[in-house]
Amino acid sequence: DIQMTQSPSSLSASVGDRVTITCRASQSIRSYLNWYQQKPGKAPKLLIYAASSLQSGVPSRFSGSGSGTDYTLTISSLQPEDFVTYYCQQSYTFPYNFGRGTNLEIK
Amino acid sequence: EVQLVESGGGLVQPGGSLRLSCAVSGLTFSRDWMSWVRQAPGKGLEWVANIKHDGGEKYYVDSVKGRFTISRDNAKNSLYLQMTSLRAEDSAVYYCARRGCSGGDCYYPNWFDPWGQGTLVTVSS
Repeated sequence: DIQMTQSPSSLSASVGDRVTITCRASQSIRSYLNWYQQKPGKAPKLLIYAASSLQSGVPSRFSGSGSGTDYTLTISSLQPEDFVTYYCQQSYTFPYNFGRGTNLEIK
Repeated sequence: EVQLVESGGGLVQPGGSLRLSCAVSGLTFSRDWMSWVRQAPGKGLEWVANIKHDGGEKYYVDSVKGRFTISRDNAKNSLYLQMTSLRAEDSAVYYCARRGCSGGDCYYPNWFDPWGQGTLVTVSS
């Protein structure tokens, strides 16, 4: 199985900050990496697919990059509604493992 | 409007069975791969199963193989998860989701979008 190591597990930041969340796969996943946002009590929402493609309707302050084993999600200017939890997920091979999540908190 | 609505969750004793349903509207259901993803209380996300648009391919996480069965009824735009021999560690919110994709064969790349609101399964005596 491919293990997904997401870091940090929690992150404190302020409105307007630029933040980066990292996801590392235990082997190459050929850019088949997705990012999701989850608000408390709600279903996850797709933000980025295939490492860098922005899902329709997602604000442009969200961006993704990476290749091989290392990927990043960047939020360029945090808004109040962005302080929730984020997950990466590899879709290269079964099982489609997720990272353990990053909880973004207001400083 | 796209809607995925799960139902069938509840409290069940260890060793028991439960069947989850997901009613889908606003999508071309018969052409879409579908998935189940679960989330234990306070924990992260875990992919459970995938099913091809025609039901011809099914995939499962190892921990549910032989106990869970994913199926679909394209005439009813519905997805199902039959769960048997349930264990405490199966307790979770179960989400159905479309496995979106690009490319003609719809294998790569792929992602989960959209998702239903989830249904809670609690396995406890």
